[in-house]
Amino acid sequence: DAGITQSPRYKITETGRQVTLMCHQTWSHSYMFWYRQDLGHGLRLIYYSAAADITDKGEVPDGYVVSRSKTENFPLTLESATRSQTSVYFCASSNAGGAGYGYTFGSGTRLTVV
Amino acid sequence: GDSVTQMEGPVTLSEEAFLTINCTYTATGYPSLFWYVQYPGEGLQLLLKATKADDKGSNKGFEATYRKETTSFHLEKGSVQVSDSAVYFCALHPNNAGNMLTFGGGTRLMVKP
Repeated sequence: DAGITQSPRYKITETGRQVTLMCHQTWSHSYMFWYRQDLGHGLRLIYYSAAADITDKGEVPDGYVVSRSKTENFPLTLESATRSQTSVYFCASSNAGGAGYGYTFGSGTRLTVV
Repeated sequence: GDSVTQMEGPVTLSEEAFLTINCTYTATGYPSLFWYVQYPGEGLQLLLKATKADDKGSNKGFEATYRKETTSFHLEKGSVQVSDSAVYFCALHPNNAGNMLTFGGGTRLMVKP
């Protein structure tokens, strides 16, 4: 199906484990983004990518790693999960046209680190 | 840098009440402005947008007018329903070569029957 999909929808992991959140989009949008959403903090940008093999840090990148070997995929890896990374994670994509189009968001991954 | 300021929530209204959620922005040039809605347990969805001054965006009974003189993009609806209960985010895009949206902090709306 066309769209932007995130997996898994829910994840519980233990402190210190590595976990990868997946994001896949079918529009060939050049830009992709990862946000985390926490009560009292709104949306905070973790990493973004302007194209395949081009990534850059956002507001809160520490503890996270991204890669983008293909335009359609933008996985987010927590190398050693901590309780402070318990959050809801949203992936988004955008047309390179930028202005006037905004972003399209996935449904989110709720991650709990115990 | 660019910024978006929304009114603090939660906003609690009775069904059929009039809604206003204030949004003001700071940006150089002529940004595009957006309202997104997030229903419980879901991602953000684009609700409406306006790309130039005096444009009015509208969707699902919601409206917002791009007011450059007051740097505002307030969201309004004449008669809210329980199903409108959600978090609303105002955002701007600077219309430059980059592709970054700046979001406000979000306003939670609760509509009671």
